[in-house]
Amino acid sequence: QQQVKQSPQSLIVQKGGISIINCAYENTAFDYFPWYQQFPGKGPALLIAIRPDVSEKKEGRFTISFNKSAKQFSLHIMDSQPGDSATYFCAAYNTDKLIFGTGTRLQVFP
Amino acid sequence: NAGVTQTPKFRILKIGQSMTLQCTQDMNHNYMYWYRQDPGMGLKLIYYSVGAGITDKGEVPNGYNVSRSTTEDFPLRLELAAPSQTSVYFCASSRTDFEAFFGQGTRLTVV
Repeated sequence: QQQVKQSPQSLIVQKGGISIINCAYENTAFDYFPWYQQFPGKGPALLIAIRPDVSEKKEGRFTISFNKSAKQFSLHIMDSQPGDSATYFCAAYNTDKLIFGTGTRLQVFP
Repeated sequence: NAGVTQTPKFRILKIGQSMTLQCTQDMNHNYMYWYRQDPGMGLKLIYYSVGAGITDKGEVPNGYNVSRSTTEDFPLRLELAAPSQTSVYFCASSRTDFEAFFGQGTRLTVV
């Protein structure tokens, strides 16, 4: 199975709150899990990525948590800001293919 | 450094017409991808290439064709356009499985 399932479809968070987006996969051959951020009218851009040999990776306010046994990974945005309002995609990589989730539209209100 | 450049940015096609979406990158990346983005459906992989002369089908290849004669260029061909091909198309390139760089997209409407 090449699918990557992402939830929720949309998320509304107040400024300063924590945004959490979840993804799940079936194919255990996936070996690289990036998150992309997309602003309206723009192409997606890499935000943060993780390999399955680590359980957590943090870059500034953004953290990926990875649960290999459950085949799940999530993006946490701490101290969410209005400038974080965008669509977020999780993705998984296997044998030259980068497969994306369905996306989460995040809105952060002041 | 231009990165990944897609042309055109917008296009309206009539049913049955054909067109080529152009994609070029100046980062000397071996890997190139074509995706389509539909509301609520995320990004679906159409075709990809791991190097000049090598292409392979992705998740949704029907109705499309690609070629990769050079490292820089990866055009996507639509033959006999159908309304179901109305979408935003993104081209991307990467060095290996690391960071994929995306173009600005081509918004295509088939009427």
